[in-house]
Amino acid sequence: GGIITQTPKFLIGQEGQKLTLKCQQNFNHDTMYWYRQDSGKGLRLIYYSITENDLQKGDLSEGYDASREKKSSFSLTVTSAQKNEMAVFLCASSIRAEVFFGKGTRLTVV
Amino acid sequence: QEKVQQSPESLIVPEGAMVSLNCSFSDSASQSIWWYQQHPGKGPKALISIFSNGNKKEGRLTVYLNRASLHVSLHIKDSQPSDSAVYLCAVQPDTNAYKVIFGKGTHLHVLP
Repeated sequence: GGIITQTPKFLIGQEGQKLTLKCQQNFNHDTMYWYRQDSGKGLRLIYYSITENDLQKGDLSEGYDASREKKSSFSLTVTSAQKNEMAVFLCASSIRAEVFFGKGTRLTVV
Repeated sequence: QEKVQQSPESLIVPEGAMVSLNCSFSDSASQSIWWYQQHPGKGPKALISIFSNGNKKEGRLTVYLNRASLHVSLHIKDSQPSDSAVYLCAVQPDTNAYKVIFGKGTHLHVLP
């Protein structure tokens, strides 16, 4: 089996700050995702990547950038953190439609 | 764009009860449909998937798919307190198989 490792587990940022979340997978999967999970709103797709150096926007891409320089890693940048923002960011990879998730990065903006 | 809606939002049942969770989707041509389980502080984990009309059973889980009515359901037999979690329905759209769409989830509490 494989694992998806997200760092950091907890991230506290200040309003307006640029924040980067990192994700590594050892499944050797081609496709990777970033989802945002808010209470009551389910999982919303921010970015996904079909292969190394590919980036595709999801429904919630505004305010975020992503980077996939290696097959095993996918990073997400919050370009300007919003005050009082609280959410969990989930990284995932997939094969044949089954999606495997990391444990998440919990973001709080003060 | 594919829409996925789940009901109920939350459910409380006694241990041993049969649990039924519902999911409706908007595109009958959607590819596979998955159910995920998410415990607090953890990422979702795939439980069971279905592609063809009909039902599929794995252990205490049974999933039913009816493409004509755009409906899929998950049934958990003999529910246990450890089944307490959020259950997410996920649909793989036909138009873009990479863009998996998730519902908002059902919060299940199984009381001992």
